Amino acid sequence: DAGVIQSPRHEVTEMGQEVTLRCKPISGHNSLFWYRQTMMRGLELLIYFNNNVPIDDSGMPEDRFSAKMPNASFSTLKIQPSEPRDSAVYFCASSFSGKQETQYFGPGTRLLVL
Amino acid sequence: AQTVTQSQPEMSVQEAETVTLSCTYDTSENNYYLFWYKQPPSRQMILVIRQEAYKQQNATENRFSVNFQKAAKSFSLKISDSQLGDTAMYFCAFEGQGAQKLVFGQGTRLTINP
Repeated sequence: DAGVIQSPRHEVTEMGQEVTLRCKPISGHNSLFWYRQTMMRGLELLIYFNNNVPIDDSGMPEDRFSAKMPNASFSTLKIQPSEPRDSAVYFCASSFSGKQETQYFGPGTRLLVL
Repeated sequence: AQTVTQSQPEMSVQEAETVTLSCTYDTSENNYYLFWYKQPPSRQMILVIRQEAYKQQNATENRFSVNFQKAAKSFSLKISDSQLGDTAMYFCAFEGQGAQKLVFGQGTRLTINP
């Protein structure tokens, strides 16, 4: 199994630009999670989907952030416009059949907004 | 809201020694799941071990074992015969029965010295 795939692995952009992060979950998994890791706040959940439907987006910082899951094998996290404080590592994770199933993480995308 | 606390920001031991990482959590739920994840310098989040709260027996995975004290809300990780490859950040995480989101502790940076 290829595991959770994220792209790009690294992204450097300038303030004000749009950033799109991509995730392909493990085949057969029907839950997908977006986390953000920063030095100040640690690891925090931004949003998660069950069967392509957003369930909890209470962790999304503000309207500049949006996430979509158009099908079972693809999700995007978009930041528009980006700001320096968005600089972080963004992880995508997936799991099977919902509750209490182990979440498997992708390698993360390191984002730097200048 | 659930909280997870790791009181040891950093630890360092010699190779082959045994080391225990501490984790406490706060919840009013009776059924939940606890996890330890490892994050090496590559930043990949790797599951080390998981424990279901309804199981009295402590989980073990080869050199890794936990000491789960439900009444004390404590969930420590013991690494036996430590190896250089165990050098990483270790995160304790909680998942309640009512939600799929993982709540992470602040992490413990573990260094195994040759």
